[in-house]
Amino acid sequence: DAGITQSPRHKVTETGTPVTLRCHQTENHRYMYWYRQDPGHGLRLIHYSYGVKDTDKGEVSDGYSVSRSKTEDFLLTLESATSSQTSVYFCAISVKQGSGNTIYFGEGSWLTVV
Amino acid sequence: AQTVTQSQPEMSVQEAETVTLSCTYDTSESDYYLFWYKQPPSRQMILVIRQEAYKQQNATENRFSVNFQKAAKSFSLKISDSQLGDAAMYFCALNSGGSNYKLTFGKGTLLTVNP
Repeated sequence: DAGITQSPRHKVTETGTPVTLRCHQTENHRYMYWYRQDPGHGLRLIHYSYGVKDTDKGEVSDGYSVSRSKTEDFLLTLESATSSQTSVYFCAISVKQGSGNTIYFGEGSWLTVV
Repeated sequence: AQTVTQSQPEMSVQEAETVTLSCTYDTSESDYYLFWYKQPPSRQMILVIRQEAYKQQNATENRFSVNFQKAAKSFSLKISDSQLGDAAMYFCALNSGGSNYKLTFGKGTLLTVNP
């Protein structure tokens, strides 16, 4: 158990509405990530954070914003949801192990945009 | 840019037998880490095994082992004594040093275990 909680776990929303997904960690790890998973694409990085108020874009960041006001929380916001953002969203944290780090994932948030 | 390629979209194995999943990668970094993750139908992402590129010895975790060929940029996963619970999607992933530990994933291999 990596101590990661995602909420909500399931959500259906309408096109054009804002949606916020929350990732909460219990162990004060510095690095946090949001990935999305779609058939045929594996997992792709949306945004990541390397500290409070320090964030950067991943490979599929268009249409998403993030915020990290506290070490333990990393929020992903879809300002105006579109059907192409229907996906499974995974939050992850980086945990130092030996000389490097290992990424651990939350249980995922299923988002359907209708 | 770094890439990860899994050339086998699907594989199947008989229970108790051995199966090998393939993965090739490309990175210009000399310091990097490779991972295999398992995703069962619950969609939970579970770390299976981790390999540091600077280590020549192949990583092992119980019935799971890797064949790491650095020069060939190959990182295959061997599952011995396959069990029904091993049925899942398996993802190979690469984390290059100095990249804020971001992971690049392959597209996955769906493993079926036949009783």
